[in-house]
Amino acid sequence: EIVLTQSPGSLSLSPGERATLSCRTSQRIFNDYLAWYQQKPGQAPRLLIHGASDRATGIPERFSGSGSGTDFTLTISRLEPEDFAVYYCQQYGSSRYTFGPGTRLEIK
Amino acid sequence: QVQLQESGPGLVKPSQTLSLTCTVSGGSISSEDYYWSWLRQPAGEGLEWIGRIYTTGTTDYAPSLKSRVTISLDKANNQFSLRLTSVTAADTAVYFCARALFHSSSSSPLGSWGQGTLVTVSS
Repeated sequence: EIVLTQSPGSLSLSPGERATLSCRTSQRIFNDYLAWYQQKPGQAPRLLIHGASDRATGIPERFSGSGSGTDFTLTISRLEPEDFAVYYCQQYGSSRYTFGPGTRLEIK
Repeated sequence: QVQLQESGPGLVKPSQTLSLTCTVSGGSISSEDYYWSWLRQPAGEGLEWIGRIYTTGTTDYAPSLKSRVTISLDKANNQFSLRLTSVTAADTAVYFCARALFHSSSSSPLGSWGQGTLVTVSS
């Protein structure tokens, strides 16, 4: 099973600042099949990024993904108030999907 | 646009079987080739993928749950279901159903989600 670790566990920033979230995998992800999701309290996760760097439909340009192999990054260029949430990475390169434990992005 | 809705008992007794259904609207399980997944999330914790089923009936399950899980299709009612046997308090969670973003692909992120349903295991 591919294990994903995310850092930091929580991040406290102000609106307008830049957020950098990390996801590391225990083995290389086939074809960089790595996704990022945003989840707000009481809601289902929302797909932000797939294929490590492709924005899903309707996702603002301030969200970007990068990385390959075992190290991946989600960057939010300028935080908006609605961006404060929990972010999960997920690998779908194997037939048994796994998620990271999440990064909680909090308002400073 | 496809929509998914979970339904089923909100309370299950320990050692019994948890059964949930996901009803799909705005799309057809039988004619559209997608993978359909179940996931869960204990309160205050992260997401756990339980398993998935393809239009053909092929399934994949998380190794930690494989011995207790069955996912099946009900094409007549445009639904798919989850059965989890021998439940304990550790199975208490919000359960989500979801559809793959890409059709006809075994490697796809999850593009559409139900709102989730809370299942509590307690006597």
